Amino acid sequence: QKEVEQNSGPLSVPEGAIASLNCTYSDRGSQSFFWYRQYSGKSPELIMSIYSNGDKEDGRFTAQLNKASQYVSLLIRDSQPSDSATYLCAVPTLMDSSYKLIFGSGTRLLVRP
Amino acid sequence: ETGVTQTPRHLVMGMTNKKSLKCEQHLGHNAMYWYKQSAKKPLELMFVYNFKEQTENNSVPSRFSPECPNSSHLFLHLHTLQPEDSALYLCASSPDRMGGGTEAFFGQGTRLTVV
Repeated sequence: QKEVEQNSGPLSVPEGAIASLNCTYSDRGSQSFFWYRQYSGKSPELIMSIYSNGDKEDGRFTAQLNKASQYVSLLIRDSQPSDSATYLCAVPTLMDSSYKLIFGSGTRLLVRP
Repeated sequence: ETGVTQTPRHLVMGMTNKKSLKCEQHLGHNAMYWYKQSAKKPLELMFVYNFKEQTENNSVPSRFSPECPNSSHLFLHLHTLQPEDSALYLCASSPDRMGGGTEAFFGQGTRLTVV
């Protein structure tokens, strides 16, 4: 079982729609969760972090965390073509007695004008 | 500008060459990391340094040799690489080793091509 799983996509949405990106993780002890955005040929950029169950909003972005279901999601409201990128979910995961920041394979988002 | 700077941005090397990748962070962080990103694969953690000491080596082949002279600088020395080592190599830093809650900040990456 992969430690952090994401649907690779691509997820295609029209401009102005809500894009919903999902991530599941295996380590029940994980306490923090991060979303990174990576444009093609660029490095990952941190866009959201969430630590508690529920929703966290930052501008057009909302992160949602459900620890019981081991599920974290990212909603992007009013999607713009500039949001087209790969979104990476990252979770510090206990492996071999130490924490490592494990990334999912990423979901590619395409926002159609 | 991310606060984490990597050089060079692009590197083409032959299988018999020796080269080094450099990373410098200006964020006052204590931990630095090397990740490898191959096409269509998740980011792979290669090495972790915390307070200049190597704390992780994820079964990386010995043709990759890290060096961390201080908390601000990290190197990845490369020798006798294989074409399958071609990838984007990313350096990252965090306030401390990634325990319960510290996020990592990435440099721009070095696109490595082994010919």
